[in-house]
Amino acid sequence: DVKVTQSSRYLVKRTGEKVFLECVQDMDHENMFWYRQDPGLGLRLIYFSYDVKMKEKGDIPEGYSVSREKKERFSLILESASTNQTSMYLCASSEPRGYTFGSGTRLTVV
Amino acid sequence: RKEVEQDPGPFNVPEGATVAFNCTYSNSASQSFFWYRQDCRKEPKLLMSVYSSGNEDGRFTAQLNRASQYISLLIRDSKLSDSATYLCVVPSGGSNYKLTFGKGTLLTVNP
Repeated sequence: DVKVTQSSRYLVKRTGEKVFLECVQDMDHENMFWYRQDPGLGLRLIYFSYDVKMKEKGDIPEGYSVSREKKERFSLILESASTNQTSMYLCASSEPRGYTFGSGTRLTVV
Repeated sequence: RKEVEQDPGPFNVPEGATVAFNCTYSNSASQSFFWYRQDCRKEPKLLMSVYSSGNEDGRFTAQLNRASQYISLLIRDSKLSDSATYLCVVPSGGSNYKLTFGKGTLLTVNP
């Protein structure tokens, strides 16, 4: 089975900090995604990548950036964390039959 | 019409009941669809794929009506373990690899 691993399950950061969320997949997939999930809003796409060093904005990229230096790793960066970025962050890797998600990182910005 | 829209629920049903969730989508060119299941505080997991008129897997049946741009998920003989949020998922804007997720329908199966 595809395994998608997110480095942290829970994070608490201060407003203004630079935050790195890491995601690693072990099946050589080209496509990787970062979503955030909030109550009542569902899953919203932040950024995705279809190859190494390639990235595209999703629906809500403001305040975020990404890095994909190696095929297996896709990092989400909060340049200056704000309280409205408190959320569950989910990374996914895709295959033709659908996505496999990591277990999520619950980020709280205080 | 929104890219994907589904019954918000919540659905509360007794064990053994049959329950159906509905979902509509806007992109008539979409070819493949998915239902994901998400347990509380867990990540979404693929439940079923739907590529043609429908798909059946045990107690679960997914149906697709392309003319009406409508997808449904039917769960027969509900179990307590079926309690979860069910997400309808469609291709995003004609992309082959980007997906758009519905907001989900919460199901609670009661003893």
